Amino acid sequence: EDQVTQSPEALRLQEGESSSLNCSYTVSGLRGLFWYRQDPGKGPEFLFTLYSAGEEKEKERLKATLTKKESFLHITAPKPEDSATYLCAVRGFVRSNDYKLSFGAGTTVTVRA
Amino acid sequence: KAGVTQTPRYLIKTRGQQVTLSCSPISGHRSVSWYQQTPGQGLQFLFEYFSETQRNKGNFPGRFSGRQFSNSRSEMNVSTLELGDSALYLCASSGSLAPQETQYFGPGTRLLVL
Repeated sequence: EDQVTQSPEALRLQEGESSSLNCSYTVSGLRGLFWYRQDPGKGPEFLFTLYSAGEEKEKERLKATLTKKESFLHITAPKPEDSATYLCAVRGFVRSNDYKLSFGAGTTVTVRA
Repeated sequence: KAGVTQTPRYLIKTRGQQVTLSCSPISGHRSVSWYQQTPGQGLQFLFEYFSETQRNKGNFPGRFSGRQFSNSRSEMNVSTLELGDSALYLCASSGSLAPQETQYFGPGTRLLVL
């Protein structure tokens, strides 16, 4: 059974205070790890896809990295508008031509001005 | 390019009723997946459709069903609603079934069952 665990559950930051979110996973045949941002009452917004260990991707103040067991989402010098819930999802092998997308519970980030 | 659209955005129903939710994927996308999101369970996979065929199904009772039309639009239906069905229902589309494909989500339909 695929498992995706995100930590911490909640993170309160001061504006400009950099931090990292963790996503640890156990999955058969990883085909992709996805990061999404979700604002209250809205659908998840795609941020990054990582495919193999050692891969890194950046977008504005966000940087995602991937190892064989976990992924980190680094937030550098966050602003209040970075406040959201960040979701991690992994796509793993279920059976021939069938891959399942499993989501973590998310990390809710609050950035205070 | 327009994103994934879902209708209606909000819905209030009573126990025992049934409900149908609609999803229009991004133009050109042929795969549509449905998820249920609740505070306690997070995002739970319901089912996935591609070319009008259900390709994968999550662990939900048979009261939850769906279909996909030839234009890739999809609907999901919940019959005999229960209080626990109150949730945000999310639809996501992708270009194909390739596992590396990114799923893009719609804004969701908020269902409240009274």
